[in-house]
Formats: sequence, C-alpha cells, structure tokens
Amino acid sequence: AQSVTQPDIHITVSEGASLELRCNYSYGATPYLFWYVQSPGQGLQLLLKYFSGDTLVQGIKGFEAEFKRSQSSFNLRKPSVHWSDAAEYFCAVGEPGTYKYIFGTGTRLKVLA
Amino acid sequence: ETGVTQTPRHLVMGMTNKKSLKCEQHLGHNAMYWYKQSAKKPLELMFVYNFKEQTENNSVPSRFSPECPNSSHLFLHLHTLQPEDSALYLCASSQTRTGGAGELFFGEGSRLTVL
Repeated sequence: AQSVTQPDIHITVSEGASLELRCNYSYGATPYLFWYVQSPGQGLQLLLKYFSGDTLVQGIKGFEAEFKRSQSSFNLRKPSVHWSDAAEYFCAVGEPGTYKYIFGTGTRLKVLA
Repeated sequence: ETGVTQTPRHLVMGMTNKKSLKCEQHLGHNAMYWYKQSAKKPLELMFVYNFKEQTENNSVPSRFSPECPNSSHLFLHLHTLQPEDSALYLCASSQTRTGGAGELFFGEGSRLTVL
C-alpha cells in the first residue's frame, strides 16, 4: 500500500534562512506528487505539483520541489523564508488512474523574526 | 464566487441531531471529495464522486451519508454522531485528466464539534 512520510513534525527557521521540508513516499510506480500549505482555520492550498517530466518543479510563493525517484522523495525548498510562510505543510501522493490521494501527517513551520 | 465553498464553517451538534454539510465548487470540475482532518492524524479520504457517481467509500460509518446531486454540489449528511467524529471536514474538487485525477482544490472546511 502506498504511504507518505514527513519525518519532521515541527521545523523552526529564522526569517531569511533557507528551508527544506522532507517527504518520502512508498509506491510501486511513479505517483503524482503534491505539496499543500494550510494556515490555521483554513483549507489546503496547492503549492506545486508533479505529474511527469522535469523533476524540478516550481510552485507559487517562491517554493520549489525536486522529485528523486531513486530516493522516493519529493522535498520542498525555499531559498529565503518569510514570516508569512509560517503554516503547516502537507505532502501528498496521488495514484495515477484513480482518485486516491494519500497525505502525510504534515510539518508545522515556525518562522522567527 | 470562486473556488470551493463550504457551509457552515462551524457546527456544534448533539449526538442525536441530524445536520448536513454543504460544498459547492465553481471551478467546472467533475470530481468532488470529502476528507476528514483530525488533530495529529493524516487527512482521511471519506468519499469521492466523479460525474455524480460515487467512486470511493473509504469504509466510512453509515452515520455519514454523502449526496452528490450534480458535479457542482456535494453534501455530507450527519446523524447520531459520536464525539470522536469532531474534526475539520474538508471538501475538495478536481478535474479528471489523462491518467486519472488532477490536483485537488480545497474549501476552507467545516469545523464540527459533537457534544
């Protein structure tokens, strides 16, 4: 069965520092991959997506992610974090040909001024 | 309105009440979803509808009853709930693409508290 692991429950970074959030998945083939962000009391907003092609994906708000097939990873990065990036981030895996999406447990990001 | 709209945003109900959550999408998508988000747990897929037909029922208790009258509207009817059903219920939609479903677009959720 497919699964998604976000090993870091909480991450704290200083404003202006770089950020990397980790995501590992378990799936027999190449899945669809997504990162979402959720602010308190809000729904999830799509940051970026990977279906196929270029393994480095650019998203909104200056985020990017790289699909590494050999490591079954899809880590999210941002070169310089802003205070407004403080939120919870979810990695998700979609099973091609279905409507099934599996979400990780999330990483809560805190940004220090 | 744009995007995915959920009402009500907050709902408090007793275990013997009957209530409904409503979701409407204005994106022209053909698939709609209900997810449950509980503290410290991953999002749980509850139901999926594609062109009004239910395609997924993720072993959800019968006290949750979905209804999808058309591709733009989705309801979740609630009856005789338990306190452990208290959670944020998220509606999402997607557009079918070659190879399956596209990315999900979420509403802001309905926060349910069962007393």
